[in-house]
Amino acid sequence: EVQLVESGGDLVQPGGSLRLSCAASGFTFSNYAMSWVRQAPGKGLEWVSLIGSGGSSIFYTDTFYADSVEGRFTISRDNSKNTLFLQMDSLRAEDTALYYCVKDHGGSGRMNWGQGTLVTVSS
Amino acid sequence: DIVMTQSPDSLAVSLGERATINCRSSQSVLYNSNNKNYLAWYQHKPGQPPKLLIYWASTRESGVPDRFSGSGSGTDFTLTISSLQAEDVAVYYCQQYYNSRHAFGQGTKLEI
Repeated sequence: EVQLVESGGDLVQPGGSLRLSCAASGFTFSNYAMSWVRQAPGKGLEWVSLIGSGGSSIFYTDTFYADSVEGRFTISRDNSKNTLFLQMDSLRAEDTALYYCVKDHGGSGRMNWGQGTLVTVSS
Repeated sequence: DIVMTQSPDSLAVSLGERATINCRSSQSVLYNSNNKNYLAWYQHKPGQPPKLLIYWASTRESGVPDRFSGSGSGTDFTLTISSLQAEDVAVYYCQQYYNSRHAFGQGTKLEI
């Protein structure tokens, strides 16, 4: 069974940094691209970032970002530890949201979601 | 970037009646090489992660009631709930996964 467990959400001041983690199990992590999706209070779902599987490459993994976080957030992964990360810098009030870790479909068309971790940016 | 637009933003339907939600993509999400539309529909209730209902635009996820169906191809898609039940009250989203920026529609709030 696919399990995705996010952690690292917290209250942080504007301009601060936070690192989210997502521990994955129940599938071959290195075979799948992974994403972060967020939902701000009272708002809809927003795709944030995606990282390619990495596979056998230890040198380069494709990364993609929403315009709203480009240059401030960095997605990464450690395939040896089955863990996905999201480094969030220069945080703004509008980054306040529940952040979900999502396993990409890998050709099946079906994606799996974690339960989410809450990030609050406020002074 | 592909922009996903849903209509309507909100919808009120009587119990037992049909609900229809539309989704339009700014460019085709149909891959000609495999003839699949890279589009999914989700149901989202408060306090829960989104639940996958439909993938490949029309394939129902295992365990999803058959009153839920998806249709469409290319740029225009529809989620239909044939006979609305009380537990279907939620926000519904379409999402494209044709490219690596998996954009969502803005959501449609479905009420009784």
